[in-house]
Amino acid sequence: DVKVTQSSRYLVKRTGEKVFLECVQDMDHENMFWYRQDPGLGLRLIYFSYDVKMKEKGDIPEGYSVSREKKERFSLILESASTNQTSMYLCASSSRAAGAQETQYFGPGTRLLVL
Amino acid sequence: AQTVTQSQPEMSVQEAETVTLSCTYDTSESDYYLFWYKQPPSRQMILVIRQEAYKQQNATENRFSVNFQKAAKSFSLKISDSQLGDAAMYFCAYNFNKFYFGSGTKLNVKP
Repeated sequence: DVKVTQSSRYLVKRTGEKVFLECVQDMDHENMFWYRQDPGLGLRLIYFSYDVKMKEKGDIPEGYSVSREKKERFSLILESASTNQTSMYLCASSSRAAGAQETQYFGPGTRLLVL
Repeated sequence: AQTVTQSQPEMSVQEAETVTLSCTYDTSESDYYLFWYKQPPSRQMILVIRQEAYKQQNATENRFSVNFQKAAKSFSLKISDSQLGDAAMYFCAYNFNKFYFGSGTKLNVKP
């Protein structure tokens, strides 16, 4: 089974703090993604990566950055947390292999509260 | 731009009954993937079912089936013999180079 893990289930941070959210997948997937999930808005893509050291902006990258130094790990960074970044953050991974059908596998999520 | 619309924010079904969740999408592409994901309360999002647009046959997975109407750009999910464990948020998603998710439908299952 594909396993995607996230470093924390719940985080409480203060405005202005630098926040790191870590995601690790164990299936050698090439693609990794960071989403935020807000009620009524579904999932919105923040950043994604197709390979080590590669990153692409998603739909809402402002206020975020990412790092992918190893294939299995994809980090989301909030340089200076703000209250409007309070949300559920979901990491996902997928394979580009033929037959993988682009299915994304999700981590359990990190619920971040910024005070 | 591709968009995915789930017009039912919340639905309820009696245990053992059948329920259909609606999803429409907008695209100019002809070959793409469609998905339904389930997110139980406080639990991980998991894949329920997927459909390749070039396949005319509707996908089925046990009690879950889809009604894929390509011309109408509609992709509804039917859950038969609903169980208490089916209670969750359900997200419809479209993928062509990138994933687009709907806003979700919360399904309540009444015993």
